[in-house]
Amino acid sequence: QQQVKQSPQSLIVQKGGISIINCAYENTAFDYFPWYQQFPGKGPALLIAIRPDVSEKKEGRFTISFNKSAKQFSLHIMDSQPGDSATYFCAASGSNDYKLSFGAGTTVTVRA
Amino acid sequence: DGGITQSPKYLFRKEGQNVTLSCEQNLNHDAMYWYRQDPGQGLRLIYYSQIVNDFQKGDIAEGYSVSREKKESFPLTVTSAQKNPTAFYLCASRRTGSVETQYFGPGTRLLVL
Repeated sequence: QQQVKQSPQSLIVQKGGISIINCAYENTAFDYFPWYQQFPGKGPALLIAIRPDVSEKKEGRFTISFNKSAKQFSLHIMDSQPGDSATYFCAASGSNDYKLSFGAGTTVTVRA
Repeated sequence: DGGITQSPKYLFRKEGQNVTLSCEQNLNHDAMYWYRQDPGQGLRLIYYSQIVNDFQKGDIAEGYSVSREKKESFPLTVTSAQKNPTAFYLCASRRTGSVETQYFGPGTRLLVL
């Protein structure tokens, strides 16, 4: 069973728009939440990550919002650009666990 | 350049054949991982190793085997027992300690002839 549920499966956004991807988890032992970006035929690359002691983290045009009580976190891509077209994965792990649990991925297409 | 290398980029397997995928890292990371990626299913963990000469099964280990004889290397063998091996295979590594980030290699695409 998937420990991290991700939605939507895909989305299309116009250049300059905002892309929003949501993830939910059940395991309360999770305390590290990274987002990965993957281009076709390539390995995923870490984009941004958050711990539950903060509710928001921003790096450039990418922002993670975290809601600990709801066990949900989301990625916002501001001013989306065609170069942001990729598949995005959320993930989660616990401090004492070497394993990451991944969401199913969201394919983002930015139309020029 | 530091990083993770995987070879080959494409690999073809015949029925009943075992094939081995290579993964090498020069990041001095202790932990290494193998994932399988299928369309629409995200990344699923096959095996992982936290230290040399030790490894654990992930969520989908059946039909696969690994070894960890050197810190830098973590090869994956897809055996003939794996009936649906066609997928994109990703190797990752992680430095133990306070940083949890896993770094991924470029992947190997395995196809069945």
